Amino acid sequence: NAGVTQTPKFQVLKTGQSMTLQCAQDMNHEYMSWYRQDPGMGLRLIHYSVGAGITDQGEVPNGYNVSRSTTEDFPLRLLSAAPSQTSVYFCASSNAGVGLGYTFGSGTRLTVV
Amino acid sequence: QQQVKQSPQSLIVQKGGISIINCAYENTAFDYFPWYQQFPGKGPALLIAIRPDVSEKKEGRFTISFNKSAKQFSLHIMDSQPGDSATYFCAAWPSGNTPLVFGKGTRLSVIA
Repeated sequence: NAGVTQTPKFQVLKTGQSMTLQCAQDMNHEYMSWYRQDPGMGLRLIHYSVGAGITDQGEVPNGYNVSRSTTEDFPLRLLSAAPSQTSVYFCASSNAGVGLGYTFGSGTRLTVV
Repeated sequence: QQQVKQSPQSLIVQKGGISIINCAYENTAFDYFPWYQQFPGKGPALLIAIRPDVSEKKEGRFTISFNKSAKQFSLHIMDSQPGDSATYFCAAWPSGNTPLVFGKGTRLSVIA
C-alpha cells in the first residue's frame, strides 16, 4: 500500500541509549518531516527535508539528528535518549510543496525510562 | 516563531449539534489553511483546506470559514456524529520552502 511507513510502532529505551526511528514513503514525495506530539503541545516540528541531501531544523531539533540520502527514506536518530524525549513521533511527506497535502505515518510511541 | 492559536482545547457536543473550532494567526502572510483530523492511535489526515482568496469552503458536513481581515478561520462540523470524535488541528502555510505551522489541537467528543 502506498503511504508513509514508520517503524517501530512502539519502543522503550533506557536513558542514554541511542536509536533510529525509520520513515519510508513510496510516493516519490520530495518533502519529508518529523514531528513530535505531546499532550497539550500539538505537533512540533523537529527536522524537515525538501529533497535528498537537504535537511533543516524545525522548532525542537535538540537531541535529534536526521539525514536524507534517498528520496524514500528520512530516518530520525536519537543520539542519547532522555526522558524528555518520551513522545509520539510522526513522519510526514508531501509532493505538492512544503506546506501542502501532508501524508502522515501512523506514528512511533517512544518511552524513555 | 510564527504561531497559530487554536481554541478550544477540548469540546463536547451532542450528536446532531454543530461543532465549532476556531483558529487565529498572527501578522504574517499565510497562503494556505488546512485542517487535519486525527483519530486515536493514528496519524493526522488532511480533512479540508482553504486559500485566503475564498471566504468559505464546504465539503459535506465540514465547512471552513475564513476572515482575512480578522486573521481568523474556523471549522464547522454540522450534524456532528460520534464518529467525528477525534483531535482536530488547524494549520497555516507561510508559502515557499517553509513547513506548515500547526495549532495545538482540539479534542472533540460527540456524545449520543
